[in-house]
Amino acid sequence: QVQMQESGPGLVKPSETLSLTCTVSGGSISRRSYHWGWIRQPPGKGLEWIGSINYSGSTYYNPSLKSRVTISVDTSKNQFSLKLTSVTAADTAVFYCARLNSDDSGDFFFDYWGQGTLVTVSS
Amino acid sequence: SYVLTQPPSVSVAPGKTARITCGGNNIGGQSVHWYQQKPGQAPVLVIYYDSDRPSGIPERFSGSNSGNTATLTISRVEAGDEADYYCQVWDSSSDHHYVFGTGTKVTVL
Repeated sequence: QVQMQESGPGLVKPSETLSLTCTVSGGSISRRSYHWGWIRQPPGKGLEWIGSINYSGSTYYNPSLKSRVTISVDTSKNQFSLKLTSVTAADTAVFYCARLNSDDSGDFFFDYWGQGTLVTVSS
Repeated sequence: SYVLTQPPSVSVAPGKTARITCGGNNIGGQSVHWYQQKPGQAPVLVIYYDSDRPSGIPERFSGSNSGNTATLTISRVEAGDEADYYCQVWDSSSDHHYVFGTGTKVTVL
């Protein structure tokens, strides 16, 4: 059974960089079948895909966040990470990491999720 | 970018059927996935590829997709089905970009 756990600071100051790590257990992050992604949810609002990464390190980002987002993978630790720069209060949200799965079509869905971590942007 | 529109809320009596729609331009030409999110919890996949159910999801949950509307149907609704539901597609006009619907709050009366 795959389990995913987000970790990182719960409070970030405006204009600084938000950094989160997702640790995957119960399966290898190196498997070609899967991508790994980040989703956020502002308090009381809906889900927003931030970006994804595959086993080889190819990244895909939401165009609305692309200039501020970096996602990376560390296969030796079975982890992947998110960096979001120049944060403002509008970036306050619960951040989820998730596994993306697909048949051979390349159309992915999110089949395993972490429990989520609240990151508040405030001075 | 691709937009998915859901009704903000749906109310249903226990034992009845809830239908949650997800509207998008020619959404029938894409695969739609559905997630259930209860308060304070992470989303859970309930339907993928329009109508497939992950193991552990009751048969009461079903999906369909045609034209400009995809539908998640919950039959014989139970109190435990009260949650927010989100549809999701892969934006095939962009490289590996994913879009979520606006979300629907299902209230069991």
